[in-house]
Amino acid sequence: AQTVTQSQPEMSVQEAETVTLSCTYDTSENNYYLFWYKQPPSRQMILVIRQEAYKQQNATENRFSVNFQKAAKSFSLKISDSQLGDTAMYFCALYTGANSKLTFGKGITLSVRP
Amino acid sequence: GAGVSQSPRYKVAKRGQDVALRCDPISGHVSLFWYQQALGQGPEFLTYFQNEAQLDKSGLPSDRFFAERPEGSVSTLKIQRTQQEDSAVYLCASSLAGGRGNTIYFGEGSWLTVV
Repeated sequence: AQTVTQSQPEMSVQEAETVTLSCTYDTSENNYYLFWYKQPPSRQMILVIRQEAYKQQNATENRFSVNFQKAAKSFSLKISDSQLGDTAMYFCALYTGANSKLTFGKGITLSVRP
Repeated sequence: GAGVSQSPRYKVAKRGQDVALRCDPISGHVSLFWYQQALGQGPEFLTYFQNEAQLDKSGLPSDRFFAERPEGSVSTLKIQRTQQEDSAVYLCASSLAGGRGNTIYFGEGSWLTVV
């Protein structure tokens, strides 16, 4: 079985500052993929960033970057220069080819203060 | 189409009523997934199709839930004799192919409220 744990239910950050969202996971697979999705109140699940487990280099997408620690099974998301539009729920998700499904964490509510 | 399209966006059903939720995946996407998301929770896997074959239905909570994708494109999730605990957002997602880590794209969801 695979699990994804997001232990922080909510966080708040001042606009223009940096925030890090934590995620740990567990899987017995060697080949897997990790994702961060953003979900605004509209409930549309928007892909933020993705990381292949076989890649050592941390993924980066503009203001978003990850700290992928494979041995520790940790996958945190760093948001730099936070913007008001970043306010949303953020979900960490794990995909393995073994069962071809995404497993989500419980999510974290991020609020960006003006 | 440009993205995953779901309908209806909002549905209010009386307890005991049957409902059908439709998903139109991105053109050419082989894999299709259904997820259920209760308020304040992360999405929970329901079922997975590769083309018209339903390869995994382990997440369907009861035999009142049924999904199909007869021609390998549009999919319908049917819930019979709805109960209040069925109230949730039902998310459909698609990807080029499962098993290769292709990005999974989500629709906006169908919000079901059972009264």
